[in-house]
Amino acid sequence: GAGVSQSPSNKVTEKGKDVELRCDPISGHTALYWYRQSLGQGLEFLIYFQGNSAPDKSGLPSDRFSAERTGGSVSTLTIQRTQQEDSAVYLCASSSYTGIGYGYTFGSGTRLTVV
Amino acid sequence: AQSVTQLDSQVPVFEEAPVELRCNYSSSVSVYLFWYVQYPNQGLQLLLKYLSGSTLVKGINGFEAEFNKSQTSFHLRKPSVHISDTAEYFCAVRLPQGGSEKLVFGKGTKLTVNP
Repeated sequence: GAGVSQSPSNKVTEKGKDVELRCDPISGHTALYWYRQSLGQGLEFLIYFQGNSAPDKSGLPSDRFSAERTGGSVSTLTIQRTQQEDSAVYLCASSSYTGIGYGYTFGSGTRLTVV
Repeated sequence: AQSVTQLDSQVPVFEEAPVELRCNYSSSVSVYLFWYVQYPNQGLQLLLKYLSGSTLVKGINGFEAEFNKSQTSFHLRKPSVHISDTAEYFCAVRLPQGGSEKLVFGKGTKLTVNP
């Protein structure tokens, strides 16, 4: 597609439930990133996928968070047993060049509210 | 560890006035620097980037930024702002680390342009 697509755009879930957030990157982009944006906190790195390499999971805040990227394209971020502190906007970005700093293209995000 | 500090969380200005949004970073090696803008309920859009070469970088919408290595700063400027520039602005630094590459963001500066 023309841009990075994320779904759903909004998600309200009950505490303790699992949620899945989807990211469809720009076609051909080999790098994919997930960030979390909390109110007044800027963007927090979660995970990075590059081609077939092992992902960099160093930003995942707990073992309740996991992500996968199938076929080098679509990615799913899963949060198990959601907590209220998980409420945030989850942003996905993709990039075609990682060695020469072309920057990322971001999706519009998924706003997650845990009640 | 590298970090990014945006010194002002909020900047109110009047239309047609000049504006400077400040950004300082900490890193002991060369970095790539970025400014992103986020309009309400949207993802992040790249304004400009510094990779190498000229320290004055021009971006979209009339914005520019100057890389100052000695002061480790990358301040964003616009000589005359419009109402439509009201948004949140994020400074970011990218440094490849051990094969993984990610952007580290500041906490953002909310620019409000008043008539």
